[in-house]
Amino acid sequence: DQQVKQNSPSLSVQEGRISILNCDYTNSMFDYFLWYKKYPAEGPTFLISISSIKDKNEDGRFTVFLNKSAKHLSLHIVPSQPGDSAVYFCAASDSGAGSYQLTFGKGTKLSVIP
Amino acid sequence: DADVTQTPRNRITKTGKRIMLECSQTKGHDRMYWYRQDPGLGLRLIYYSFDVKDINKGEISDGYSVSRQAQAKFSLSLESAIPNQTALYFCATSDLRGTEEQFFGPGTRLTVL
Repeated sequence: DQQVKQNSPSLSVQEGRISILNCDYTNSMFDYFLWYKKYPAEGPTFLISISSIKDKNEDGRFTVFLNKSAKHLSLHIVPSQPGDSAVYFCAASDSGAGSYQLTFGKGTKLSVIP
Repeated sequence: DADVTQTPRNRITKTGKRIMLECSQTKGHDRMYWYRQDPGLGLRLIYYSFDVKDINKGEISDGYSVSRQAQAKFSLSLESAIPNQTALYFCATSDLRGTEEQFFGPGTRLTVL
C-alpha cells in the first residue's frame, strides 16, 4: 500500500509560469518531508524540506507547503525555467521511529517549455 | 570529485550470475542505504546500515545481501541474478548528526538477461 502518492506522472508548464507539484501521504506518523529532483543518468538531488511543525518553507524560487490535516504537500516553483525540467520525487520520514528511512512517491516528470 | 560514487555505472549480466555493486563515500556519513528504482515505481529501500556493525533490511531485501566493509563502503550483492532485478540502483548516505536528508550516488544501471 503506497504511503506517499504523487498522482500526476507528468506536468508541462510554460517557462516563467508557476509549476505546482503535489504529494499526498497516508501515514500520520510522517513528520518530515523532502523534495528531490532527478535528471536522467544522475542520482536524485535534495531540493527542499519541511518539518511538520511548519506549514511553509521557502528557498529562492522553490516553496513547499504542508497541510497536515489534509496530509498533503505541494512544491511551487516560481518562475519555472527550462533547467527545472526533471523528475521530482516527494519523500517522507517518521523521525520519531529512529530508522531514518525515507518513503518515496513514484515521481512527477516536469517539463518546462521555453 | 563526487562525494558518493558507485561502480560499475552500467552492467549487463545473465540470469544466475552473482553480481556486486559497490558504493563509496567521502562525506564521512555514518548511515548508508541501497535503493532500486523501477519505471513508474519510484525508489524503494533494499537495505540500510547505520555503522559497520549494523545492517537492516528495507522494503524489498529478498534476493539481495549487503556488506558494510568500512564506514565509507557499502556493497550490494545479488547472489543469483534474475531478470526482474533489472533496474537502476542507487546508494545514498546521511549524517547521523544531521537531518533526514540523504545524498545519492549517480546510480548503477543493471540489466539481467
